[in-house]
Amino acid sequence: KQEVTQIPAALSVPEGENLVLNCSFTDSAIYNLQWFRQDPGKGLTSLLLIQSSQREQTSGRLNASLDKSSGRSTLYIAASQPGDSATYLCAGINSGNTPLVFGKGTRLSVIA
Amino acid sequence: DVKVTQSSRYLVKRTGEKVFLECVQDMDHENMFWYRQDPGLGLRLIYFSYDVKMKEKGDIPEGYSVSREKKERFSLILESASTNQTSMYLCASSLRRLGSNFFTFGSGTRLTVV
Repeated sequence: KQEVTQIPAALSVPEGENLVLNCSFTDSAIYNLQWFRQDPGKGLTSLLLIQSSQREQTSGRLNASLDKSSGRSTLYIAASQPGDSATYLCAGINSGNTPLVFGKGTRLSVIA
Repeated sequence: DVKVTQSSRYLVKRTGEKVFLECVQDMDHENMFWYRQDPGLGLRLIYFSYDVKMKEKGDIPEGYSVSREKKERFSLILESASTNQTSMYLCASSLRRLGSNFFTFGSGTRLTVV
């Protein structure tokens, strides 16, 4: 069964810093991997989806990569801002039609 | 703007009540899912559905049931609410087609059982 781990559980950085959030998974047969953002008390907002044939995706200051052989995905945030403060969750599926399996998230605080 | 809508943001119910949580999507997605989210435990899958009138148990189905009578609507039912079902409930949907498995989530329902 696929398991997803995110380390660290919490991270605090000064504004303007570039940072990397890590996600690891146990089954290299992962099909898609999706990164989400969650603000306190709110639902999940999708950030990036890396599909099976892809290795990375970019959106603005965000870049996500997927390395199936090593069982890792990273979310790179450039020039962090206080508005980036949130919990970031990664989740994967093992085939085209299965539910997402989530990590427990990394809570990011960007200090002005 | 396509979206997943959960009917209530906050609910307070009494122990033993039957509770209905409603989720509607307007994207013509085949797949729909219910998760609960608790501090320290992350998101856990309760039930999911790949089509109308179909349902599959997730990791923690005990104490819950679901209904999917129409493609766009997926209801989570707490047959007899208990305090340990106090949680944030999140609904999601996705397309079945391979390569298009983008999951969209609703805003969540914060349920408190007293």
